[in-house]
Amino acid sequence: EDKVVQSPLSLVVHEGDTVTLNCSYEVTNFRSLLWYKQEKKAPTFLFMLTSSGIEKKSGRLSSILDKKELFSILNITATQTGDSAIYLCAWIQGAQKLVFGQGTRLTINP
Amino acid sequence: DAGVIQSPRHEVTEMGQEVTLRCKPISGHDYLFWYRQTMMRGLELLIYFNNNVPIDDSGMPEDRFSAKMPNASFSTLKIQPSEPRDSAVYFCASSRVIKRGGYNEQFFGPGTRLTVL
Repeated sequence: EDKVVQSPLSLVVHEGDTVTLNCSYEVTNFRSLLWYKQEKKAPTFLFMLTSSGIEKKSGRLSSILDKKELFSILNITATQTGDSAIYLCAWIQGAQKLVFGQGTRLTINP
Repeated sequence: DAGVIQSPRHEVTEMGQEVTLRCKPISGHDYLFWYRQTMMRGLELLIYFNNNVPIDDSGMPEDRFSAKMPNASFSTLKIQPSEPRDSAVYFCASSRVIKRGGYNEQFFGPGTRLTVL
């Protein structure tokens, strides 16, 4: 059965810390993996990763995919309270269908 | 653009009642998705449409759930009869084909929080 597993499920850190969120997958016909950020409401898109070893970066956030070991990480440096959210990873099944992991609930304390 | 619009934002109903959730996708988008999010199961896809036609409804939990898309600007998700275990946040999302054969970013609505007592 295809699955996406995120860890940790919950993480609490202090403002300024660096965090690493993990997403491992066991899926058939893997094409791409996506990261989303969910604050109080709807998930918003962060990154799409298709190629192994190529880092995607946006400000203090970065992500990389390892297709050999079947995982991806999302790094956030110099965390701020506004980074508090649920971070979701998902793989694309077929052309449009997203299969999400359970998410990591990140809390940044001032 | 107003983004994906969902209504109602909150719904509280009693077990056995019919519930109808509504979604207006972003204008020009030709894919529409219905998701359900719970603490236990996370965010899971229920059904999606392309050009108003249901493509994959394998995530619809049971016959009590049905979804329709009568036109390009409106979709409904209906639960009849509702049960307490249906309590969840239901999201609608839409996307537009920019790259054929590739993934096209999905934009999520604010969700409907459903509570079935």
